[in-house]
Amino acid sequence: GENVEQHPSTLSVQEGDSAVIKCTYSDSASNYFPWYKQELGKRPQLIIDIRSNVGEKKDQRIAVTLNKTAKHFSLHITETQPEDSAVYFCAASIGSNYKLTFGKGTLLTVNP
Amino acid sequence: EADIYQTPRYLVIGTGKKITLECSQTMGHDKMYWYQQDPGMELHLIHYSYGVNSTEKGDLSSESTVSRIRTEHFPLTLESARPSHTSQYLCASEVPGNTEAFFGQGTRLTVV
Repeated sequence: GENVEQHPSTLSVQEGDSAVIKCTYSDSASNYFPWYKQELGKRPQLIIDIRSNVGEKKDQRIAVTLNKTAKHFSLHITETQPEDSAVYFCAASIGSNYKLTFGKGTLLTVNP
Repeated sequence: EADIYQTPRYLVIGTGKKITLECSQTMGHDKMYWYQQDPGMELHLIHYSYGVNSTEKGDLSSESTVSRIRTEHFPLTLESARPSHTSQYLCASEVPGNTEAFFGQGTRLTVV
């Protein structure tokens, strides 16, 4: 089955700096890669996703890049703000009839 | 309002008790998942379902069972609760076709 590895497990940045979280996946058939944000005491929520036919996707201060050859994808957050502090999960899916596989999560702390 | 609901939100029970955690969604989603999330933040997949009468065990053996008799309902049962079951349990649902997974607000279970 699919295996997703996520790094780093914790990340601390100063407000205004950029943050990058990286994930690798094992199954080359994976074609859907979402990112979820979980604030303290709340449920995970989708913040951005990318499909295998696209190399990069942006939404304001967040962007995701995908390298299918290397089987890795990354979340980029620019101009970080304290409200970006949360746990971020990457995930991968082989197809619509397969389960979603999550990485272990990254605790991002943005220091004012 | 379309959402995914979990009850109870908090539960404290004694060792050896049988409990059922409820999960219902009003979005007509076929895929549903149960995760166990410890304070260490990783999401451990316990069970998942692709639709009515379809259930599969996940990566974590939690001594629990699930049923999927109706599309909207995916209850999780612990036959004999143990202190090691103390954790947060998150339910999620997803439309087939690799789209957003929606999470419930979780049930925080404490077994004493």
